[in-house]
Amino acid sequence: GESVGLHLPTLSVQEGDNSIINCAYSNSASDYFIWYKQESGKGPQFIIDIRSNMDKRQGQRVTVLLNKTVKHLSLQIAATQPGDSAVYFCAENRNAGNMLTFGGGTRLMVKP
Amino acid sequence: NAGVTQTPKFRVLKTGQSMTLLCAQDMNHEYMYWYRQDPGMGLRLIHYSVGEGTTAKGEVPDGYNVSRLKKQNFLLGLESAAPSQTSVYFCASSYTAGGEQYFGPGTRLTVT
Repeated sequence: GESVGLHLPTLSVQEGDNSIINCAYSNSASDYFIWYKQESGKGPQFIIDIRSNMDKRQGQRVTVLLNKTVKHLSLQIAATQPGDSAVYFCAENRNAGNMLTFGGGTRLMVKP
Repeated sequence: NAGVTQTPKFRVLKTGQSMTLLCAQDMNHEYMYWYRQDPGMGLRLIHYSVGEGTTAKGEVPDGYNVSRLKKQNFLLGLESAAPSQTSVYFCASSYTAGGEQYFGPGTRLTVT
């Protein structure tokens, strides 16, 4: 069935470098996307969101890019810090429904 | 505000035992959700509620029941626990349908 998925299960970066985490989705009716961060032993935390009428949105050190043509979502983290080490999930909302569908997650490891 | 709280934090059950997980939110959110997260995997929706007195099935509802008698509380019940239900359970709430969800800290359940 249609689902949200991720290209890379684990990403290892050097402290201070930029990180890019990718997510593919297959449902063209999805109109809202969220990135969550989950630290070990904790619940997911909201990072940033984007609606389908936008292709880029920036937050503090994070940027989300949406390419609807190829159904691709990415999260860019600038100047990655040890505190960024976590699992990152993308989630989509389809047809303004009641639910979010989550991808499988990417583990980001930051090397000092 | 406490946000979303879950009790208990940990529980060990024997096969066939029953238990109830409690989720509470103090943000006056209409929508509440129960997910399970298995090791190295994403979140799968068990049941959700769009308001007090309502419940609906998610992706993996079998073996679970839920109730939303009060707006601020969402209970997840396991009538006859099975080892396959060993997982971490997360509750979430949101203000809008399909919008940003706020997560609790999780309940780690082991069924032996």
